[in-house]
Amino acid sequence: AQSVTQLDSHVSVSEGTPVLLRCNYSSSYSPSLFWYVQHPNKGLQLLLKYTSAATLVKGINGFEAEFKKSETSFHLTKPSAHMSDAAEYFCVVSDHLDSNYQLIWGAGTKLIIKP
Amino acid sequence: EAQVTQNPRYLITVTGKKLTVTCSQNMNHEYMSWYRQDPGLGLRQIYYSMNVEVTDKGDVPEGYKVSRKEKRNFPLILESPSPNQTSLYFCTSSSSGLRSSYEQYFGPGTRLTVT
Repeated sequence: AQSVTQLDSHVSVSEGTPVLLRCNYSSSYSPSLFWYVQHPNKGLQLLLKYTSAATLVKGINGFEAEFKKSETSFHLTKPSAHMSDAAEYFCVVSDHLDSNYQLIWGAGTKLIIKP
Repeated sequence: EAQVTQNPRYLITVTGKKLTVTCSQNMNHEYMSWYRQDPGLGLRQIYYSMNVEVTDKGDVPEGYKVSRKEKRNFPLILESPSPNQTSLYFCTSSSSGLRSSYEQYFGPGTRLTVT
C-alpha cells in the first residue's frame, strides 16, 4: 500500500541557515511526488513536483527536492532560510490505483524560522 | 483569473442542521475533490469526482454527500452535521484524474465549526 512519512512534525532553523524537510514514501508503481506549502491561514500552494524526468527538481522560492528511488525519499531543501518560509509543508505521493490516481498526503512539517 | 472558489469561508452551525459548502472552478477541469484538514492528520480526502455525474468516495466519506451536475461546481453537503466534522475543508480541481502528474489547485478553505 502507498504511504508517505514526513519524519519531522516540526523543524526549527535560524534565518540564513539551510533547510531540510524529510519525506519518505512507499509506492507500488511509478509515483509522482509533490511538495505543497501552506502559510498560516492560507490555502495550499504547489512548491514543486517530480514526474519521472530529472531527479533534482527546482521549485518556487528557492526550494528544491531530490527524488532518490533507492532510498524512497523526496527530501525538500533550501540553502538559506528566510522568515517568509515559515509555514507548514506537505509531501504528497500521487500513484495509480486501478484506472484512477490516488493522492496520499503526509501529515505535514511545520517550519519555524528563528531570527 | 484561474481559481477555485469556496463559500462560505467561515461557518458556525449547530448539530443536525443541514448545510452546503459550495465549490466552483473556472479552469474547465474534469477532476474535483474535497479534503478535510485536521491538526496532525494532514489532508484526508472526502470525495472526488472524475467528471460530471461521476463521483466516488475518498478516505473519509461518512457523513458527507456530494454532487457533480455541472463541470464547474462540486458542492459538499452535510445532511446532519456533528461536532466531529468541525474542520478546515478544501476543494480542489485538476486537469484530469487519469494522470498522476497533474497539479491540484486549491480553494481558499472553509473553516466549519459544529457545536
